[in-house]
Amino acid sequence: KAGVTQTPRYLIKTRGQQVTLSCSPISGHRSVSWYQQTPGQGLQFLFEYFSETQRNKGNFPGRFSGRQFSNSRSEMNVSTLELGDSALYLCASSLGGSLTGELFFGEGSRLTVL
Amino acid sequence: AQKVTQAQTEISVVEKEDVTLDCVYETRDTTYYLFWYKQPPSGELVFLIRRNSFDEQNEISGRYSWNFQKSTSSFNFTITASQVVDSAVYFCALKASGNNRKLIWGLGTSLAVNP
Repeated sequence: KAGVTQTPRYLIKTRGQQVTLSCSPISGHRSVSWYQQTPGQGLQFLFEYFSETQRNKGNFPGRFSGRQFSNSRSEMNVSTLELGDSALYLCASSLGGSLTGELFFGEGSRLTVL
Repeated sequence: AQKVTQAQTEISVVEKEDVTLDCVYETRDTTYYLFWYKQPPSGELVFLIRRNSFDEQNEISGRYSWNFQKSTSSFNFTITASQVVDSAVYFCALKASGNNRKLIWGLGTSLAVNP
Protein backbone atom coordinates (compact mmCIF):
# COMPACT_ATOMS: atom_id res chain seq x y z
CA LYS A 1 0.00 0.00 0.00
CA ALA A 2 1.58 3.27 -1.09
CA GLY A 3 2.13 5.85 1.61
CA VAL A 4 1.45 9.56 1.55
CA THR A 5 3.31 11.22 -1.31
CA GLN A 6 4.32 14.84 -1.26
CA THR A 7 5.79 16.79 -4.13
CA PRO A 8 8.10 18.49 -4.57
CA ARG A 9 10.41 17.32 -1.82
CA TYR A 10 12.63 20.38 -1.94
CA LEU A 11 12.18 23.80 -3.43
CA ILE A 12 13.75 27.21 -3.26
CA LYS A 13 11.79 30.39 -3.85
CA THR A 14 12.40 34.08 -3.40
CA ARG A 15 10.38 36.54 -1.38
CA GLY A 16 7.18 37.63 -3.05
CA GLN A 17 6.81 34.49 -5.13
CA GLN A 18 4.09 31.94 -4.62
CA VAL A 19 4.32 28.18 -4.24
CA THR A 20 2.01 25.21 -4.61
CA LEU A 21 2.65 21.96 -2.78
CA SER A 22 0.91 18.70 -3.58
CA CYS A 23 -0.12 15.77 -1.42
CA SER A 24 -1.48 12.40 -2.50
CA PRO A 25 -3.00 10.56 0.47
CA ILE A 26 -3.07 6.86 1.07
CA SER A 27 -5.65 5.22 -1.15
CA GLY A 28 -9.03 5.25 0.56
CA HIS A 29 -8.16 8.04 2.98
CA ARG A 30 -10.53 10.95 2.72
CA SER A 31 -8.94 13.35 5.17
CA VAL A 32 -5.83 15.39 4.49
CA SER A 33 -4.20 17.71 6.99
CA TRP A 34 -1.32 20.10 6.47
CA TYR A 35 1.28 21.16 8.99
CA GLN A 36 4.15 23.61 9.01
CA GLN A 37 7.21 22.51 10.93
CA THR A 38 9.95 24.91 11.96
CA PRO A 39 12.69 24.53 14.58
CA GLY A 40 11.34 27.34 16.71
CA GLN A 41 7.59 26.75 16.48
CA GLY A 42 7.43 23.01 16.10
CA LEU A 43 4.43 21.54 14.31
CA GLN A 44 1.77 24.08 13.50
CA PHE A 45 -1.58 23.00 12.10
CA LEU A 46 -2.52 24.71 8.85
CA PHE A 47 -5.81 23.13 7.75
CA GLU A 48 -7.69 19.91 7.29
CA TYR A 49 -9.79 18.82 4.35
CA PHE A 50 -12.34 16.06 4.34
CA SER A 51 -14.27 15.10 1.21
CA GLU A 52 -13.23 18.33 -0.54
CA THR A 53 -14.39 20.56 2.32
CA GLN A 54 -12.16 22.46 4.67
CA ARG A 55 -13.12 21.15 8.09
CA ASN A 56 -10.64 22.91 10.28
CA LYS A 57 -8.18 25.77 10.00
CA GLY A 58 -5.18 26.88 11.98
CA ASN A 59 -4.05 30.39 12.79
CA PHE A 60 -2.24 31.28 9.61
CA PRO A 61 -2.72 34.36 7.43
CA GLY A 62 -4.83 34.25 4.31
CA ARG A 63 -1.70 33.86 2.19
CA PHE A 64 -1.91 30.18 3.09
CA SER A 65 -4.68 28.35 1.31
CA GLY A 66 -5.51 24.84 0.29
CA ARG A 67 -7.96 22.66 -1.50
CA GLN A 68 -8.86 19.03 -1.93
CA PHE A 69 -9.92 17.34 -5.11
CA SER A 70 -12.52 14.64 -5.64
CA ASN A 71 -9.79 11.98 -5.62
CA SER A 72 -8.72 13.22 -2.16
CA ARG A 73 -5.47 14.67 -3.45
CA SER A 74 -4.74 18.00 -1.87
CA GLU A 75 -2.75 21.08 -2.67
CA MET A 76 -1.69 23.96 -0.53
CA ASN A 77 -0.63 27.32 -1.80
CA VAL A 78 1.37 30.08 -0.21
CA SER A 79 1.30 33.45 -1.92
CA THR A 80 3.61 36.42 -1.46
CA LEU A 81 6.26 34.33 0.23
CA GLU A 82 8.13 35.69 3.23
CA LEU A 83 11.43 34.57 4.69
CA GLY A 84 9.58 33.18 7.68
CA ASP A 85 7.68 30.77 5.46
CA SER A 86 10.82 28.66 5.15
CA ALA A 87 9.84 25.37 6.73
CA LEU A 88 9.08 21.72 6.26
CA TYR A 89 5.48 21.36 5.14
CA LEU A 90 3.98 18.04 6.12
CA CYS A 91 0.86 16.44 4.80
CA ALA A 92 -1.00 13.75 6.69
CA SER A 93 -3.88 11.56 5.69
CA SER A 94 -6.35 9.50 7.64
CA LEU A 95 -9.39 7.36 6.94
CA GLY A 96 -12.15 9.30 8.61
CA GLY A 97 -10.58 12.54 9.57
CA SER A 98 -8.31 13.63 12.35
CA LEU A 99 -10.89 12.62 14.96
CA THR A 100 -8.84 9.73 16.20
CA GLY A 101 -5.53 11.43 15.62
CA GLU A 102 -3.90 8.48 13.93
CA LEU A 103 -2.32 10.25 11.02
CA PHE A 104 -0.12 8.94 8.25
CA PHE A 105 2.47 11.47 7.20
CA GLY A 106 4.42 12.09 4.05
CA GLU A 107 8.10 12.98 4.09
CA GLY A 108 7.31 16.62 3.60
CA SER A 109 8.18 19.42 1.23
CA ARG A 110 11.09 21.51 2.40
CA LEU A 111 10.63 25.10 1.31
CA THR A 112 13.43 27.61 1.47
CA VAL A 113 12.59 31.26 0.87
CA LEU A 114 15.52 33.51 -0.01
CA ALA B 1 -6.43 26.26 26.66
CA GLN B 2 -4.70 23.10 25.66
CA LYS B 3 -0.97 22.65 25.83
CA VAL B 4 1.64 19.93 25.56
CA THR B 5 5.05 20.34 27.15
CA GLN B 6 8.06 18.23 26.38
CA ALA B 7 10.63 19.70 28.70
CA GLN B 8 13.53 17.67 27.34
CA THR B 9 14.76 19.28 24.15
CA GLU B 10 17.59 16.86 23.51
CA ILE B 11 18.65 13.59 25.09
CA SER B 12 21.79 11.65 24.33
CA VAL B 13 22.30 8.07 25.52
CA VAL B 14 24.56 5.17 24.80
CA GLU B 15 23.13 2.13 23.11
CA LYS B 16 21.37 -0.34 25.45
CA GLU B 17 20.57 2.33 27.99
CA ASP B 18 16.94 2.86 28.99
CA VAL B 19 15.55 6.31 28.31
CA THR B 20 12.31 8.05 29.30
CA LEU B 21 10.81 10.90 27.33
CA ASP B 22 8.53 13.14 29.36
CA CYS B 23 5.25 14.62 28.24
CA VAL B 24 3.02 16.85 30.34
CA TYR B 25 -0.29 18.11 29.03
CA GLU B 26 -2.95 20.63 29.96
CA THR B 27 -6.61 20.43 29.04
CA ARG B 28 -9.97 21.17 30.61
CA ASP B 29 -11.71 18.53 28.51
CA THR B 30 -12.69 15.30 30.19
CA THR B 31 -12.48 13.29 26.98
CA TYR B 32 -9.27 13.52 25.06
CA TYR B 33 -6.61 11.50 23.32
CA LEU B 34 -2.87 11.46 23.77
CA PHE B 35 -0.36 10.38 21.15
CA TRP B 36 3.28 9.75 20.53
CA TYR B 37 4.84 10.11 17.12
CA LYS B 38 8.39 9.43 15.96
CA GLN B 39 10.14 11.53 13.33
CA PRO B 40 13.31 9.90 11.96
CA PRO B 41 15.78 11.92 9.87
CA SER B 42 13.76 11.19 6.72
CA GLY B 43 11.13 13.59 8.03
CA GLU B 44 8.09 11.34 7.94
CA LEU B 45 6.27 11.24 11.28
CA VAL B 46 5.30 7.77 12.35
CA PHE B 47 2.38 7.07 14.67
CA LEU B 48 3.41 5.10 17.77
CA ILE B 49 0.46 5.07 20.14
CA ARG B 50 -2.91 6.60 21.00
CA ARG B 51 -4.38 6.56 24.46
CA ASN B 52 -7.80 7.91 25.47
CA SER B 53 -8.39 9.74 28.71
CA PHE B 54 -10.43 6.92 30.22
CA ASP B 55 -7.78 4.30 29.81
CA GLU B 56 -4.94 4.72 32.27
CA GLN B 57 -3.49 1.30 31.75
CA ASN B 58 0.15 1.33 30.91
CA GLU B 59 1.07 -0.18 27.59
CA ILE B 60 4.08 -2.12 26.46
CA SER B 61 5.01 -2.83 22.88
CA GLY B 62 8.32 -4.57 22.55
CA ARG B 63 10.99 -2.22 23.86
CA TYR B 64 8.52 0.66 24.05
CA SER B 65 6.30 1.38 27.03
CA TRP B 66 4.02 4.23 27.98
CA ASN B 67 2.97 5.45 31.39
CA PHE B 68 -0.22 7.51 31.50
CA GLN B 69 -1.02 9.26 34.79
CA LYS B 70 -4.01 11.59 34.85
CA SER B 71 -3.18 12.69 38.39
CA THR B 72 -0.02 14.36 37.13
CA SER B 73 -1.25 15.00 33.55
CA SER B 74 1.65 13.06 32.17
CA PHE B 75 2.09 10.55 29.38
CA ASN B 76 5.69 9.42 29.47
CA PHE B 77 7.40 7.18 26.96
CA THR B 78 10.20 4.76 27.84
CA ILE B 79 12.50 2.97 25.45
CA THR B 80 14.21 -0.01 27.01
CA ALA B 81 17.62 -1.12 25.77
CA SER B 82 17.81 1.71 23.27
CA GLN B 83 19.25 1.14 19.82
CA VAL B 84 20.84 3.46 17.28
CA VAL B 85 17.72 3.13 15.11
CA ASP B 86 15.73 4.77 17.89
CA SER B 87 17.51 8.05 17.15
CA ALA B 88 14.78 10.45 16.10
CA VAL B 89 12.66 13.32 17.28
CA TYR B 90 9.70 12.17 19.36
CA PHE B 91 6.52 14.20 19.60
CA CYS B 92 3.76 14.00 22.14
CA ALA B 93 0.35 15.33 21.07
CA LEU B 94 -3.07 15.95 22.57
CA LYS B 95 -6.50 16.07 21.00
CA ALA B 96 -9.82 16.73 22.65
CA SER B 97 -12.78 14.70 21.49
CA GLY B 98 -14.76 16.25 18.66
CA ASN B 99 -14.44 16.57 14.94
CA ASN B 100 -13.42 20.21 14.99
CA ARG B 101 -10.69 19.81 17.57
CA LYS B 102 -7.09 20.00 16.45
CA LEU B 103 -4.07 18.02 17.45
CA ILE B 104 -1.90 20.05 19.78
CA TRP B 105 1.77 19.10 19.54
CA GLY B 106 4.67 19.36 21.91
CA LEU B 107 7.91 20.77 20.54
CA GLY B 108 9.51 17.36 20.47
CA THR B 109 12.45 15.65 22.12
CA SER B 110 15.45 14.85 19.98
CA LEU B 111 16.89 11.51 21.02
CA ALA B 112 20.39 10.52 19.97
CA VAL B 113 21.41 6.95 20.68
CA ASN B 114 25.13 6.54 20.28
CA PRO B 115 26.88 3.24 19.59
